[in-house]
Amino acid sequence: AQRVTQPEKLLSVFKGAPVELKCNYSYSGSPELFWYVQYSRQRLQLLLRHISRESIKGFTADLNKGETSFHLKKPFAQEEDSAMYYCALIGSGGSNYKLTFGKGTLLTVNP
Amino acid sequence: DTAVSQTPKYLVTQMGNDKSIKCEQNLGHDTMYWYKQDSKKFLKIMFSYNNKELIINETVPNRFSPKSPDKAHLNLHINSLELGDSAVYFCASSQTSRTPLHFGNGTRLTVT
Repeated sequence: AQRVTQPEKLLSVFKGAPVELKCNYSYSGSPELFWYVQYSRQRLQLLLRHISRESIKGFTADLNKGETSFHLKKPFAQEEDSAMYYCALIGSGGSNYKLTFGKGTLLTVNP
Repeated sequence: DTAVSQTPKYLVTQMGNDKSIKCEQNLGHDTMYWYKQDSKKFLKIMFSYNNKELIINETVPNRFSPKSPDKAHLNLHINSLELGDSAVYFCASSQTSRTPLHFGNGTRLTVT
């Protein structure tokens, strides 16, 4: 079974402070990990995926297979980063892949 | 052009009614999904179709019946609506079952 855990339901930081949204996963094979973001009153959209190894809007995430983590980080948070963030996983086995989401972390960046 | 569009945006109805939500994607994707987001913002997959064929059917009551007339459309019909069905329903599509999902704007269903 695959599982994604986001331990923080709410995270509040001040503008300019570093931010880290935690994500841990459980999967026996080689997963593919994603971060999706949902801004207020907008649709869910892909923020980044681990195989791209890129930085989007200043966010980065590194897959740590030893710790089974895929934490999302940004060195200096901005007010416009306030949103709901979902970590998600797709397994690599079987013919029917399923994207499993964590329960989400609501990030609030205060001025 | 909106890539994944779903209608209606809001749906308010009474218990026991039957309602449908429509979804269309113009991205040429092969795979489409329905997700449910509950009041705690938890996202859970309900169904997935690949080229009009059902490939994922989670433990969803059989009052929920998806229909895919072609690979660009995936509609969701709900019979005998219950209070617990109140949620935001998101349609999504992807090129394959392992590529990123593109989501619609969601349909907020309220059952009174």
